[in-house]
Amino acid sequence: DTGVSQNPRHKITKRGQNVTFRCDPISEHNRLYWYRQTLGQGPEFLTYFQNEAQLEKSRLLSDRFSAERPKGSFSTLEIQRTEQGDSAMYLCASSLVRPSGRVKEQFFGPGTRLTVL
Amino acid sequence: DAKTTQPTSMDCAEGRAANLPCNHSTISGNEYVYWYRQIHSQGPQYIIHGLKNNETNEMASLIITEDRKSSTLILPHATLRDTAVYYCIVRAPNTGTASKLTFGTGTRLQVTL
Repeated sequence: DTGVSQNPRHKITKRGQNVTFRCDPISEHNRLYWYRQTLGQGPEFLTYFQNEAQLEKSRLLSDRFSAERPKGSFSTLEIQRTEQGDSAMYLCASSLVRPSGRVKEQFFGPGTRLTVL
Repeated sequence: DAKTTQPTSMDCAEGRAANLPCNHSTISGNEYVYWYRQIHSQGPQYIIHGLKNNETNEMASLIITEDRKSSTLILPHATLRDTAVYYCIVRAPNTGTASKLTFGTGTRLQVTL
């Protein structure tokens, strides 16, 4: 399967603990996005990378959140000192930016469902 | 990006065409209309997009009104597997940094026997 993969698929943690999620994009895709989705709502943009550079961060991305894409391939999203309000589905997507600058459509992974007790 | 308005939910009988409307009255001249869907417990899936001409692919057809203030996604022969939340998104040209997607709450389509 050559789609976007995310691990783990589910994570249950206690309030105050740190968690880290991983996203493996489609191999030739140079752009990677993170979104968060709460129950009954559409996904909300968190941040995105062009290769290893983090180009934009949403106001939703508090200081407790950090994302990396060190080698321009996979990405990790870490949440420190988790709170119950962090419970959500965390979605990763990737796309290809052509030399012309045009960005192809985004392909999403299955998400990581986080539950903070 | 322009705001969109979609019905909260719709039903469709299997085998019939599903027509999902979307209003985007504040759309700018260079903004595209994108449709994604999200089947339960999965990530969103790209369906189709267009600027001003009608578009068709293997999944669906997109009809955009002449004034571009509204559009309709058509699933010509809905099946039970088309049951999902459908998101209509309006966004600037897919270049540079303007590539993030702004989702609303979408339309929940229920396909029934």
